[in-house]
Amino acid sequence: QVRLVESGGGVVQPGGSLRLSCAASGFPFSRYGMHWVRQAPGGGLEWLAVIWYEGINKDYADSVKGRFTISRDNSRNIMYLQMNSLKVEDTALYYCARIRGDSGGYFDSWGQGTLVTVSS
Amino acid sequence: QSILTQPPSVSGAPGQRVTMSCTGSSSNIGAGYDVHWYQQLPGTAPKLLIYGDTNRPSGVPDRFSGSKSGTSASLAITGLQTEDEADYYCQSYDSSLIGSVFGGGTKLTVL
Repeated sequence: QVRLVESGGGVVQPGGSLRLSCAASGFPFSRYGMHWVRQAPGGGLEWLAVIWYEGINKDYADSVKGRFTISRDNSRNIMYLQMNSLKVEDTALYYCARIRGDSGGYFDSWGQGTLVTVSS
Repeated sequence: QSILTQPPSVSGAPGQRVTMSCTGSSSNIGAGYDVHWYQQLPGTAPKLLIYGDTNRPSGVPDRFSGSKSGTSASLAITGLQTEDEADYYCQSYDSSLIGSVFGGGTKLTVL
């Protein structure tokens, strides 16, 4: 059974940093691309970043490029999102999701989300 | 503003048929990239509803169907039920942005 569990959310001041984790189980982790998607309070889904297989190939949304870094540890089946220079507008529920297929694929499994609040 | 455009809301009575659109451009849907649909019930994570434009994962009722033409896609729900009340999101890939893109979501109200 595929399971994704996010952790690491919390309250942080503007300009601060936070590292989110996504622990995966129930599938061969290194064989799947993994993504971060967020949802601001009352808002829609926003794709943030993807990391493929061995962790070499990554892409980011313009809104987080240069501030967020996605990484993965295939030996521990964990994906990370290092978030620096946080802004108030980064306040959201952060989901990790597994993608089936290539770049044009679909998210077939989602975690329950971890809440990040950026506030002074 | 989302790259894929969805109507903010649609509504229908139980038993009726509703459709919702997802409009993109030549760098995403119009380029031939697949469109996928997700259902998000209140307080829960999104759930895959339709993948590859028209395919339903196992467990999704055949009341849900997807279609695509040109730069747009549509989700249809027939035999509307109260439990279908949720937010629905379309998703595709954009070759200009080099990343996945979502629609802004459509809130379905079952009257």
